[in-house]
Amino acid sequence: DAKTTQPTSMDCAEGRAANLPCNHSTISGNEYVYWYRQIHSQGPQYIIHGLKNNETNEMASLIITEDRKSSTLILPHATLRDTAVYYCIVRVGSGNTGKLIFGQGTTLQVKP
Amino acid sequence: DTAVSQTPKYLVTQMGNDKSIKCEQNLGHDTMYWYKQDSKKFLKIMFSYNNKELIINETVPNRFSPKSPDKAHLNLHINSLELGDSAVYFCASSRFQGAGELFFGEGSRLTVL
Repeated sequence: DAKTTQPTSMDCAEGRAANLPCNHSTISGNEYVYWYRQIHSQGPQYIIHGLKNNETNEMASLIITEDRKSSTLILPHATLRDTAVYYCIVRVGSGNTGKLIFGQGTTLQVKP
Repeated sequence: DTAVSQTPKYLVTQMGNDKSIKCEQNLGHDTMYWYKQDSKKFLKIMFSYNNKELIINETVPNRFSPKSPDKAHLNLHINSLELGDSAVYFCASSRFQGAGELFFGEGSRLTVL
């Protein structure tokens, strides 16, 4: 079972920031948080990951709370092409048997 | 060049048939995976291979037999297809076993009639 909970769906206006929340209250101290997205009819795409510090790359920013029980993915200027299902994932297991368990994700609809 | 490529993209077949889906990655990664996405859109890991060695087998029926001739290829063979096998199958790769950054293919949609 996935160790994360996310809202089922969200809307965002084009050009505005999209803030996607995720709860992972049972996360362990050495478990990373990963974000992927799946645009319709495509394979999932890696976005970003983090452990405890905030992270930023060319696609998004990841804000992780100090207690690490929740995080927020921020798309700073959402475009129509960002419409997708966004998955927040805590990798289960460790070492060679670690694996990504996908939950239901959040369907983000970016509207003009 | 497509990093992770799967063939065929679409596959329609009858119950009871045997079919294969092929996957190749040109990223030089050590680890490859098969995931299944069912009609409810849940993505579930099926297998992972690291340098041709099976690492993860998620209690998938033994009608499903992955084969890795080399670390750049991971094929999925399915025997005696059932209606419930209808799904989109995604191949993925990562630099090493346990890495969290996976690169996925475009998926192979299997329809069993």
